[in-house]
Amino acid sequence: AQRVTQPEKLLSVFKGAPVELKCNYSYSGSPELFWYVQYSRQRLQLLLRHISRESIKGFTADLNKGETSFHLKKPFAQEEDSAMYYCALLPGFGNEKLTFGTGTRLTIIP
Amino acid sequence: NAGVMQNPRHLVRRRGQEARLRCSPMKGHSHVYWYRQLPEEGLKFMVYLQKENIIDESGMPKERFSAEFPKEGPSILRIQQVVRGDSAAYFCASSLTANTEAFFGQGTRLTVV
Repeated sequence: AQRVTQPEKLLSVFKGAPVELKCNYSYSGSPELFWYVQYSRQRLQLLLRHISRESIKGFTADLNKGETSFHLKKPFAQEEDSAMYYCALLPGFGNEKLTFGTGTRLTIIP
Repeated sequence: NAGVMQNPRHLVRRRGQEARLRCSPMKGHSHVYWYRQLPEEGLKFMVYLQKENIIDESGMPKERFSAEFPKEGPSILRIQQVVRGDSAAYFCASSLTANTEAFFGQGTRLTVV
């Protein structure tokens, strides 16, 4: 069975400092990985997915199959980045349900 | 397109009562997923439905929980004889197809007193 681990429940970073939210996964196949974000009082929304290789709101994430990681990074944190971030895995091959990590609450200190 | 709509946003039930949670997917979406978030935990998959069919209910408790997605109308997650441990946020998501982005509703926060 697949599993997603986000080791940090809380992360505080100063504005302008680099941000890295960690995500590790376990799955024997080749999954698709996602980052979802939930801003205060808003619904969960997709931030980025590894196959699109996009940079959204300055965030990037690289899938490292050797380390089974998909860490989310941003070089310079902004106050509006404060939110709850969830890493999620989709196994693929017809098993189309997302498995989520427990989430990391990111707080940007002004 | 109003997005995925869940109602009610907040639901309070006494132990032993029934809870009905509704989810209207985005227009044109025929795939619906229900997730539960217990306090201090991540979102856990419960059930995946397509119109009139349950595709995967591996995350649903075997008793008291049921889900449907009729041809007309919203998807319903039904919890019978609620207990305190059912208190959680229940999120619904919908997608156009199985491989496309899933859009989430704002959730229903169920409190069992």
